[in-house]
Amino acid sequence: EDKVVQSPLSLVVHEGDTVTLNCSYEVTNFRSLLWYKQEKKAPTFLFMLTSSGIEKKSGRLSSILDKKELSSILNITATQTGDSAIYLCAVKETSGSRLTFGEGTQLTVNP
Amino acid sequence: DTEVTQTPKHLVMGMTNKKSLKCEQHMGHRAMYWYKQKAKKPPELMFVYSYEKLSINESVPSRFSPECPNSSLLNLHLHALQPEDSALYLCASSQADIMITYEQYFGPGTRLTVT
Repeated sequence: EDKVVQSPLSLVVHEGDTVTLNCSYEVTNFRSLLWYKQEKKAPTFLFMLTSSGIEKKSGRLSSILDKKELSSILNITATQTGDSAIYLCAVKETSGSRLTFGEGTQLTVNP
Repeated sequence: DTEVTQTPKHLVMGMTNKKSLKCEQHMGHRAMYWYKQKAKKPPELMFVYSYEKLSINESVPSRFSPECPNSSLLNLHLHALQPEDSALYLCASSQADIMITYEQYFGPGTRLTVT
């Protein structure tokens, strides 16, 4: 059975800190890994990483895929209170449309 | 327009009621999804429609009945639900291609409470 594990499950930091969120996966035929940010309601898309795009960056957020270690990290530098959210990692296989989500990391950034 | 809309935002229904959740997108996406999300848990896939045809049903009880009347609309018909069905129901859409992964865009969800 496909499995996506995120760590830590929750994290509390102060504004300005740098955080690293982890995601490891076990899927039969990996195609891509996606990161989402979920605040009150809908998850919003952050990054998608594939074999041909293993590193992505947008502003203070960046993500790297390690296909050897079957894992990914999401880095957030100079955190702000608006970064407080649940960060979800999801993996897609080569066949079908299914995304397998991890449990998420609850990030709280205190002023 | 990268928006997926869902109505209603909140719904309270009794176990004998029949209600429907609605989802709409105008991004030209041909894949649409229903997810169920319980508190502090990740979204769980329920159904996937691809080109208006049901392609995935994750063994969802028959009291949930999806419908895709056209490429922009997705409905979820609810009947005889149980209190444990109370959750946030998320709709998502994406481009559809079995060879390429496209990100899914999520709607704001419907918060359903079954009494």
